[in-house]
Amino acid sequence: QKEVEQNSGPLSVPEGAIASLNCTYSDRGSQSFFWYRQYSGKSPELIMSIYSNGDKEDGRFTAQLNKASQYVSLLIRDSQPSDSATYLCAVNFNNNDMRFGAGTRLTVKP
Amino acid sequence: KAGVTQTPRYLIKTRGQQVTLSCSPISGHRSVSWYQQTPGQGLQFLFEYFSETQRNKGNFPGRFSGRQFSNSRSEMNVSTLELGDSALYLCASSLESPPTDTQYFGPGTRLTVL
Repeated sequence: QKEVEQNSGPLSVPEGAIASLNCTYSDRGSQSFFWYRQYSGKSPELIMSIYSNGDKEDGRFTAQLNKASQYVSLLIRDSQPSDSATYLCAVNFNNNDMRFGAGTRLTVKP
Repeated sequence: KAGVTQTPRYLIKTRGQQVTLSCSPISGHRSVSWYQQTPGQGLQFLFEYFSETQRNKGNFPGRFSGRQFSNSRSEMNVSTLELGDSALYLCASSLESPPTDTQYFGPGTRLTVL
């Protein structure tokens, strides 16, 4: 069974705080992991990809991967109201057989 | 480079009809994936095509089908439409299929079944 699980939220954080989003997946053999952001009424846009255990930083975003625990997370530092969106975790199970979590809705309050 | 394009953007159909949606990938991209997005089920994988071959398929009934042409453009077809098929249908393209690749989404086709 190919499953990707996320807390659906909603997650609410004050402006300037750190938002932490979590994701678990079912296939230990998966190699590629992605975080997408989706604004209401828009299509998903890629924020980050991660392939190796550990942390990967890009600006205010940090993705963390732990393959042994089958766990991926996304940290958003200095959260801004413009970060308010639904965040989708995606796992490439095999050859572009990409599965998405249900998404976590994030609200950043000014 | 132009992004992924999808046509039409909006469709209204009635139950029992069939519908064809089109997706043009980013130039040079050969893999096209289709997804159905609904508020209740989230983003669900339909199928993926690469070089005109369906490589992966999600858990959807046979009423959902697709194909890919030699220029990588793809179409998906839904026959005998049901009310529950109302959704946003998204296609995404990627350059190839190594595990390190990423997908880029089109704007979607909003299908309403009455």
